[in-house]
Amino acid sequence: KTQVEQSPQSLVVRQGENCVLQCNYSVTPDNHLRWFKQDTGKGLVSLTVLVDQKDKTSNGRYSATLDKDAKHSTLHITATLLDDTATYICVVGDRGSALGRLHFGAGTQLIVIP
Amino acid sequence: DMKVTQMPRYLIKRMGENVLLECGQDMSHETMYWYRQDPGLGLQLIYISYDVDSNSEGDIPKGYRVSRKKREHFSLILDSAKTNQTSVYFCASSLHRSGNTLYFGEGSRLIVV
Repeated sequence: KTQVEQSPQSLVVRQGENCVLQCNYSVTPDNHLRWFKQDTGKGLVSLTVLVDQKDKTSNGRYSATLDKDAKHSTLHITATLLDDTATYICVVGDRGSALGRLHFGAGTQLIVIP
Repeated sequence: DMKVTQMPRYLIKRMGENVLLECGQDMSHETMYWYRQDPGLGLQLIYISYDVDSNSEGDIPKGYRVSRKKREHFSLILDSAKTNQTSVYFCASSLHRSGNTLYFGEGSRLIVV
């Protein structure tokens, strides 16, 4: 059973618009949550990691929230650029060390058009 | 420059042939991983290696084996490839004590015909 659900599956926005990607999970325990960006044909690159019970992070035009009570995270992208076109993957870790397991969502495919 | 390197990037094999996918990292990370990524699914863990000759099965190890003789190298081997092993394979590495930080390679796309 999928333990990390991402929505929407795909999203098309115009350059300059903002967008919000959602991640709901049932992983227990939930030590941390990380968002990755995956360009087509490339590996995953970390955008941000959230750790606290209610956490917020900001990394340039990317900002993210985590609510462990609701087991829910959002990734906000502000003023999208064409280079933001990619798949965004939510990953929940059940421990803070490599002894833990990582649970991957299937990703949201974002397409930014001119 | 922190990097995970995978070779080959693209590979076409016939059913029943052997496949060797190689992964290297230059960060002295203890832990290395092999995942596969299929359309519509999250990455699935095949094997994890905690250090040289210290390997554990992941969630989908059947049909695969691994080898780690040096800390910087981790190989994935398919003995007698099957068509359902057509996929994109990703190698990753992390420090043992902070497994929440992962560095990924760019993937190896395997097609089995």
